[in-house]
Amino acid sequence: IVLTQSPGTLSLSPGERATLSCRTSQSVATKYIAWYQHKPGQAPRLLFSGASIRATGIPDRFSGSGSGTDFTLTISRLEPEDFVVYYCQYYGQTFGQGTKVEVK
Amino acid sequence: DVQLVESGGGLVQPGGSLRLSCAASGFTLRSYWMTWVRQAPGKGLEWVANIRQDGSEKVYVDSVKGRFTISRDNAKNSLFLQLNSLRVEDTAVYYCARDVGYAVDFWGQGTLVTVSS
Repeated sequence: IVLTQSPGTLSLSPGERATLSCRTSQSVATKYIAWYQHKPGQAPRLLFSGASIRATGIPDRFSGSGSGTDFTLTISRLEPEDFVVYYCQYYGQTFGQGTKVEVK
Repeated sequence: DVQLVESGGGLVQPGGSLRLSCAASGFTLRSYWMTWVRQAPGKGLEWVANIRQDGSEKVYVDSVKGRFTISRDNAKNSLFLQLNSLRVEDTAVYYCARDVGYAVDFWGQGTLVTVSS
C-alpha cells in the first residue's frame, strides 16, 4: 500500500485553517492510519491513531478524519508551533512522504 | 516517564557494520512491540523494522532485509539494531520507538549513522 500526502507544502498564516490529505492506494481500515508531527531536531510526536483517536496531550485544534482511501488531518487555527512537517502512516509501517506547513 | 535513548551511531565506511542500542525506561518493555524508524538527510520518515514482545517475530522493510537484524533483551530493557553491509543510502538518523498497534506513541531522540568513505 502506498500513501500519498498532499500538498507537499502548505503555505498559510497563523490563525488559518490547515487541511492535510493522506490518500492510500487501496481502501484500508481506519484503525491502520496514524498521523505524526515532526519538528526539526526533535523526535516525531504521535497525533492520532485509528485515524481520529487523539493522542495524549494533543490540543483539540487538531482533528483527524477519513475512511476508505481518503484521510485528513485538520488544524483548525494554526499556532506558531504548528508550522512543521506532518506524516501519515499505515499499519505502523509505511509512511507518506510528508506535508510541510510553512508560514505564508 | 517513558524514555527511549538510542546510542551506537557514528561514521562507518560502505560495507561496514554498526550496532545500535536503545535503552528503554518508564514502562515494561516486554509488553510492547518495538520499532526502528529512520530519516535520511532531507528526506521523510521510513519504517525500518519491528519486533514482537518476545522477539519471536521480526519484520523488515525490503531495502534492509538480509543486512539488518532487530533484536531485544527484555531483561536489560534494551532494543538493538545490527546494521551490516552498510550502504551510503543507509545514512540517516535512526529512531527507536514504542509500537502500540498500528502506531508509534513514544520515540527516542535518534542516533545518526553516516556511511561514507
